[in-house]
Amino acid sequence: SAVISQKPSRDICQRGTSLTIQCQVDSQVTMMFWYRQQPGQSLTLIATANQGSEATYESGFVIDKFPISRPNLTFSTLTVSNMSPEDSSIYLCSVLRVGSNEKLFFGSGTQLSVL
Amino acid sequence: EDQVTQSPEALRLQEGESSSLNCSYTVSGLRGLFWYRQDPGKGPEFLFTLYSAGEEKEKERLKATLTKKESFLHITAPKPEDSATYLCAVQGNFNKFYFGSGTKLNVKP
Repeated sequence: SAVISQKPSRDICQRGTSLTIQCQVDSQVTMMFWYRQQPGQSLTLIATANQGSEATYESGFVIDKFPISRPNLTFSTLTVSNMSPEDSSIYLCSVLRVGSNEKLFFGSGTQLSVL
Repeated sequence: EDQVTQSPEALRLQEGESSSLNCSYTVSGLRGLFWYRQDPGKGPEFLFTLYSAGEEKEKERLKATLTKKESFLHITAPKPEDSATYLCAVQGNFNKFYFGSGTKLNVKP
């Protein structure tokens, strides 16, 4: 398994502000992802966090809005910038354990409400 | 088009009433099918991975099976604490994951 610590677990923010979410993994992983889950919806991939280089963003997500850092193989941050109420979601960090039996694990999530 | 469909969207069971959740997929290059349990406001909790048709895995009251086009999550004699949303995800080529919309299970005592 993988122990993934994500913080904050929840936050209530004002429109126009930014929030940085941290993700710490208990061991080195190559593949780390950030997902968004809007209320009542399934998971949508925001980006793949690449160690030592710029993140790879999915269609509809841009670096100016969701800057991501990945300074090493155990840590990443996602910033939600210039927030609006539409950004209210659960944000999830996940890691892929590669090998003969690959597994995708998730952090406990950050529940963000924007007023 | 690669996609994953889960049914039903919601399921209400009485405690002890067994049932099954379905996950059908049209994803090329299947590398694995994952089942997760998600409680409100939390991240998905890993349950099982299935890799090939005919494979089965069990954990307590849960049993997951896989065919070439779908997977079932069987819940035997469920308890109220099994109430949660169950998510299915399929891993395709290039480590791309496709998620279903989930089945919200409510088990009443």
